[in-house]
Amino acid sequence: EVQLLESGGGLVQPGGSLRLSCAASGFTFSSYAMSWVRQAPGKGLEWVSAISASGAGSYYTDSVKGRFTISRANSKNMLYVQMNSLRGEDTAVYYCAKGMSGDVSNWFDPWGQGILVTVSS
Amino acid sequence: EIVLTQSPATLSLSPGERATLSCRASQSVRSYLAWYQQKPGQAPRLLIYDASNRATGTPARFSGSGSGTDFTLTISSLEPEDFAVYYCQQRSSWPFTFGPGTKVDIK
Repeated sequence: EVQLLESGGGLVQPGGSLRLSCAASGFTFSSYAMSWVRQAPGKGLEWVSAISASGAGSYYTDSVKGRFTISRANSKNMLYVQMNSLRGEDTAVYYCAKGMSGDVSNWFDPWGQGILVTVSS
Repeated sequence: EIVLTQSPATLSLSPGERATLSCRASQSVRSYLAWYQQKPGQAPRLLIYDASNRATGTPARFSGSGSGTDFTLTISSLEPEDFAVYYCQQRSSWPFTFGPGTKVDIK
């Protein structure tokens, strides 16, 4: 069974940094693209970033470009996102999601349970 | 950026009724459209991908259709567990975008 477990969330001040992790199991992690998707409280879904299976290719939504960095450690079955210069509008539940293949352009299936990031002073 | 519009915002129906949800794209996304279901307090779940392909585990009462800019998710006969929010999403071009969602609630 595929399992995705996010960690590293919490309360951070505006301008601060946080690194989210996603531990993957139940599949050959190095063969699949991965993504981060977020959901602000009471709002809809917003795709944040995606990375190819090898890690060679990555994409970001415009609002996080230059502030967030997605990465992966295939030897550890781990996905990360380093979030810098955090703003109030980054407050959300962050989900990691598995792609359906190794291509960076992919659907999200399945998703982790999500981790809350709150940016507030 | 491709904008996805979903209608209606809320659909109030009874169990056993047919649900028809719409997703319209601001420009063609070919068949690169998916549908997700989200229940309160849960992560979203992929239902339909590439406009009409059911994901593993998606019941046959769910079907997707459309291409280009107009897409439909149909639930042929609503079960109690189908009352949820449904999002469409495109991956035709970066950035990937989601629609605002359609809430299917019990009438």
